[in-house]
Formats: sequence, structure tokens, C-alpha cells
Amino acid sequence: AQSVTQLGSHVSVSEGALVLLRCNYSSSVPPYLFWYVQYPNQGLQLLLKYTSAATLVKGINGFEAEFKKSETSFHLTKPSAHMSDAAEYFCAVSERNNNDMRFGAGTRLTVKP
Amino acid sequence: ETGVTQTPRHLVMGMTNKKSLKCEQHLGHNAMYWYKQSAKKPLELMFVYSLEERVENNSVPSRFSPECPNSSHLFLHLHTLQPEDSALYLCASSQLYGPYNEQFFGPGTRLTVL
Repeated sequence: AQSVTQLGSHVSVSEGALVLLRCNYSSSVPPYLFWYVQYPNQGLQLLLKYTSAATLVKGINGFEAEFKKSETSFHLTKPSAHMSDAAEYFCAVSERNNNDMRFGAGTRLTVKP
Repeated sequence: ETGVTQTPRHLVMGMTNKKSLKCEQHLGHNAMYWYKQSAKKPLELMFVYSLEERVENNSVPSRFSPECPNSSHLFLHLHTLQPEDSALYLCASSQLYGPYNEQFFGPGTRLTVL
């Protein structure tokens, strides 16, 4: 079965600095990959998804992620952090031959002024 | 109302109580989901309904009972819960049930079991 690991439960960056949130997956078949964001007291919102088109995927709010098959990774990046980016971020994977989506444990992003 | 709504937003209940969580989606979707979100743990998928039929039940204790009366509404009936059931319960929906379908989440119900 597929699984996802998010390295670092808590990441802190300064405003204007690069954001890098790490996600590695395990899957026996080509996966679909997702990044979701959860702001305080809200549900999860899709940032971006990879479904086998371009390996570099652009999402909302200036985020992007790159699918690297050789590294089984799908790290999320943003060139310049904004205070409003403070939230919890979840990576998720699903396999093309089943309907089960698996989420990582989440990474809490703190942005310092 | 737009998107996915959940009521109540907060619920405190004793172990002998019976309560229900309600979810409503206003997106015309055909699949609905219940998840449990506990601190520092991955989201746990509890139940999935597709076209009002339950398609997944991931070893959830029987003290949780889902109900999907139509494609827009999903309930989670709770009875004789345990303190470890305290968590954020999230409802989600998607256009179809399938691996590539984006899920839209509600804000959740924060449940505390005393």
C-alpha cells in the first residue's frame, strides 16, 4: 500500500525566506500526489496536485512542487514566505489502481517577521 | 452556504451520551468522506460514501455509525465514546470517488469526550 512521510513536523522561516517542506512517498505504481494546507480552525484546502503531466506543478498562493521519481519525492516550495503562509501543510498520495488516499502527519509552518 | 459545512463546530459529550455530527456539501459532488484528525497523527479515513453507498469502512469501532441519506448530506452518529475519540472530525466531498479527485473539506467538528 502507498504511504507518505513528511520530514519535519515543524518548520520555521523568516518572512521573505524560501519555504521548503519535504514529502517522500512510497508507491508500487505511479502515484497521484497532493499538497493540502490547513489554516487554523479550517478544513484542508488543495494547494496543488500531480497527476502525471508536467513534473513541476504550480499551485495557489505562489507554491509549487516538483515530482522526482528517482528520489520518490514531492517537496513543496515557495520562493518568499509571507506571514499569511503560516499554517499546517499535508502531503497526500493515492495510487492509480485503488481509491485510497493516504495523508502524511503534517508539517506546521511558522513565519517569523 | 457554499462548499462543505459541518455542524456543530464544537461538541463536548460524556461517554454515555449519544450525539450526531452533520455534514452538508453544496458542490453537487457524488462522494463524501469522514476523517479523524488527531494531534501529530496522519488523517485517518473512517468512511467513504459514493452515490450514497458506503464503499469503505476502515476498521472503525462500531460506536461510530455513518449515515448518508442523500448525496448532499452525511452524518456520523456517536454513542458510548471513549476519551481517546476526542479529535477533530473532518468531512470532505469530491466530484467522483477515485484516486485523482480533489477532495473539498469542511471546517471540522472539534469533539471532546469527557
